Amino acid sequence: SQQGEEDPQALSIQEGENATMNCSYKTSINNLQWYRQNSGRGLVHLILIRSNEREKHSGRLRVTLDTSKKSSSLLITASRAADTASYFCATDANAGKSTFGDGTTLTVKP
Amino acid sequence: DGGITQSPKYLFRKEGQNVTLSCEQNLNHDAMYWYRQDPGQGLRLIYYSQIVNDFQKGDIAEGYSVSREKKESFPLTVTSAQKNPTAFYLCASSIGQTGETQYFGPGTRLLVL
Repeated sequence: SQQGEEDPQALSIQEGENATMNCSYKTSINNLQWYRQNSGRGLVHLILIRSNEREKHSGRLRVTLDTSKKSSSLLITASRAADTASYFCATDANAGKSTFGDGTTLTVKP
Repeated sequence: DGGITQSPKYLFRKEGQNVTLSCEQNLNHDAMYWYRQDPGQGLRLIYYSQIVNDFQKGDIAEGYSVSREKKESFPLTVTSAQKNPTAFYLCASSIGQTGETQYFGPGTRLLVL
């Protein structure tokens, strides 16, 4: 089974609303990363949060990490149609190698 | 421009044929990776390399082979032993440690004729 699992699998919102997606993992990690993938393209790195950090911000993105619950969340505020993409979390628990979940597909309707 | 490139964008394979996917980076990164992505799913690690002339199997290495003769290049061969090769293949690189930020190429879509 995947180390990281995103929830929900799909999310559809209106432009201007906030989008929240979650990632749960099973074993201890050193860091957790969020990536974005537009359809048919490569992944783009968004944020890396280390195990001793609880929250990080980057523009309209906010990532939280709760190591006691083995979970992370990605919040996108004031969403735009251009945010439509799949979002993946990746953890480094597999002997230091990144393990990706199946992703959350976000659709932002204009 | 610094970056990671993959070619070709689309590749067609006939039954029994080996095909090679190219991956080149000019970021001076030590580590390189190959992932397979099936529709609606996440990435699964095929092979990775942390240094020139060395590479390790990932979670789904069967039917694939790689080489790392140069720091900039990490080609992936999909052999005839891979019975279900149709997928989107992504190459990535990172500065050093395998758990750190990875930079991805645009991907190659492999289709079987």
